[in-house]
Amino acid sequence: GAGVSQTPSNKVTEKGKYVELRCDPISGHTALYWYRQSLGQGPEFLIYFQGTGAADDSGLPNDRFFAVRPEGSVSTLKIQRTERGDSAVYLCASSPAFYNEQFFGPGTRLTVL
Amino acid sequence: DAKTTQPNSMESNEEEPVHLPCNHSTISGTDYIHWYRQLPSQGPEYVIHGLTSNVNNRMASLAIAEDRKSSTLILHRATLRDAAVYYCILRSPLQGAQKLVFGQGTRLTINP
Repeated sequence: GAGVSQTPSNKVTEKGKYVELRCDPISGHTALYWYRQSLGQGPEFLIYFQGTGAADDSGLPNDRFFAVRPEGSVSTLKIQRTERGDSAVYLCASSPAFYNEQFFGPGTRLTVL
Repeated sequence: DAKTTQPNSMESNEEEPVHLPCNHSTISGTDYIHWYRQLPSQGPEYVIHGLTSNVNNRMASLAIAEDRKSSTLILHRATLRDAAVYYCILRSPLQGAQKLVFGQGTRLTINP
C-alpha cells in the first residue's frame, strides 16, 4: 500500500522567505509526527498530532514554526522568515494510534540560502 | 527522557551475523526498547521492540539483558542492504510519551 508521502522532496529558498512543507500520512493513521534532521544527527522531534489537534508541540524551536492538520489527514508544516539554520531534512511519520510503530516518509530537504 | 549509548560505527561482512549493542543504564521499569534504522537518503524504519523478553521478527532479533540496562540488536545474516544507521530508543507507553527521541545511532557498514 501507499506509504507516507512528502512534498516537495527538495525546497530551496532564500533567507526571510516563507515555506510550506506537506505530509500525506498513511490512510487511516490518526497520529502524525514531524521531525527535523540536521546533517550527521538523528531526527529531532518537532510536533505530534492526534487527529486534528496538536497534542505535543514541545519540539517546535520558536514561533516561526507552525503546523496544521485541519481534517485529521494531510498536515502542513509552515516556516516563516526562514533562516539559514532552518536548513535540514524535515521528516513526517504516521501511526495507527499513539503508541504504535511510526512509519516515516522520505523527507523534504530544505535549503535556506 | 532516558538516554541510550551506542557505538558511533561498526563494520561487518556480508552474510555474517552482526551484534549492535546499546546501553541504557537509566531505563525505567515501563520503558520499552525500540530499534529503528535509517537507510541512506530515506526516513527511519521500525525494526523491532521489546520490554523484558528477547524478541524475534523477520528483520532481526532483540536480546535484552536480565537487568534491562543493555540490549543487543542481532542481524543474523547481514546483507549489503542492511548498511544503515541503527537507532536504539527508549519509549514509555505513558500518555504524553509518543515522540521518538533519537540519539546519534550506530552507522553500520557491510563489506561485500
